[in-house]
Amino acid sequence: ETGVTQTPRHLVMGMTNKKSLKCEQHLGHNAMYWYKQSAKKPLELMFVYSLEERVENNSVPSRFSPECPNSSHLFLHLHTLQPEDSALYLCASSQDWGGATDTQYFGPGTRLTVL
Amino acid sequence: GEDVEQSLFLSVREGDSSVINCTYTDSSSTYLYWYKQEPGAGLQLLTYIFSNMDMKQDQRLTVLLNKKDKHLSLRIADTQTGDSAIYFCAENGDYKLSFGAGTTVTVRA
Repeated sequence: ETGVTQTPRHLVMGMTNKKSLKCEQHLGHNAMYWYKQSAKKPLELMFVYSLEERVENNSVPSRFSPECPNSSHLFLHLHTLQPEDSALYLCASSQDWGGATDTQYFGPGTRLTVL
Repeated sequence: GEDVEQSLFLSVREGDSSVINCTYTDSSSTYLYWYKQEPGAGLQLLTYIFSNMDMKQDQRLTVLLNKKDKHLSLRIADTQTGDSAIYFCAENGDYKLSFGAGTTVTVRA
């Protein structure tokens, strides 16, 4: 148990659906992250939020829309996805962003399958 | 991923030591990390080492850092079946973590 939870753990959706992934951290951290993990590829950083402001957006398609309503919660809203978006989506948090205290703690991930 | 390289597979006999190697490119990295991922799970932080250290030991885990060669290794003593997993090396440079592709460790009886 890392103090970072994600729901749902598994999600199957069609290309026309709209769904959201949720991440919650109970560590009092100020920074939160979304990563995509596809088979045979290194982890891809998607978004970074620090103190509820987005500080990094790594050329992610607009069909992925992040939201950070407060420092404990992070969402990833999904719409009109493609089959190649099927992957494990990992959330992480760290005390701060960009400093010596940015050790990241990961949640268990959401396994997304797009049909 | 391209800044951090790891071998993809390692097979080790139960009870032996495992050594997983990693090379990185960013000499400004402050910390270097080892994460473990078991099937169907997220990444679990195993250990990390500050860049001004050469070695860190934590129970069965020993991390060695050669900063001159930008080489990091993780040694697992007395490898157990529960150590079968993917191990990721990561460095924190340029305001983000860069991960290697992961080394799949298989422990055989």
